[in-house]
Amino acid sequence: EDKVVQSPLSLVVHEGDTVTLNCSYEVTNFRSLLWYKQEKKAPTFLFMLTSSGIEKKSGRLSSILDKKELFSILNITATQTGDSAIYLCAGGSQGNLIFGKGTKLSVKP
Amino acid sequence: GAGVSQSPSNKVTEKGKDVELRCDPISGHTALYWYRQRLGQGLEFLIYFQGNSAPDKSGLPSDRFSAERTGESVSTLTIQRTQQEDSAVYLCASSSTSGASPLHFGNGTRLTVT
Repeated sequence: EDKVVQSPLSLVVHEGDTVTLNCSYEVTNFRSLLWYKQEKKAPTFLFMLTSSGIEKKSGRLSSILDKKELFSILNITATQTGDSAIYLCAGGSQGNLIFGKGTKLSVKP
Repeated sequence: GAGVSQSPSNKVTEKGKDVELRCDPISGHTALYWYRQRLGQGLEFLIYFQGNSAPDKSGLPSDRFSAERTGESVSTLTIQRTQQEDSAVYLCASSSTSGASPLHFGNGTRLTVT
């Protein structure tokens, strides 16, 4: 059965801290690994990773995929209160996109 | 439209009633997904449409749930004889292709069954 497991489930940090969110996956016919940020309503797209070892960056966020060990990490440096959200990881095959339960990040001032 | 549009944004219904949720995907997107998100939980896959292919219904939790899509446009998710456990946010997403393109999500329909 396809599954995506995220850890930790929740995390509380202070502004300025660096955090690493983890995502492991077992997805049949795997094609891509996606990260989303969900604040109040619709998840918003962060990254899509298809190749191992190539880091993708967007400002203070970065992510990398390891297709041999079947995991991905999402790093956030110099965290801000606006980073507080649920971060969702999803593994994509030729059809379905399997989501993990998410990591709830709370950044305290 | 500019994004995925879902209606209604909120729906309160009595147990046992049928409800219909609507999703308008981004124009030109061939893939359309429905997910359910219970409070504090992750996204639970329900059903996936890709072009004219038979939909992947493997995530539908019971035969009370069904969905249709007209061509590559509007989709409706129908829940018959609603139960309190059906209370959740129902999210629709679309993408230009399946599996290898980012999904674009609507704001969801918050369903409350009393």
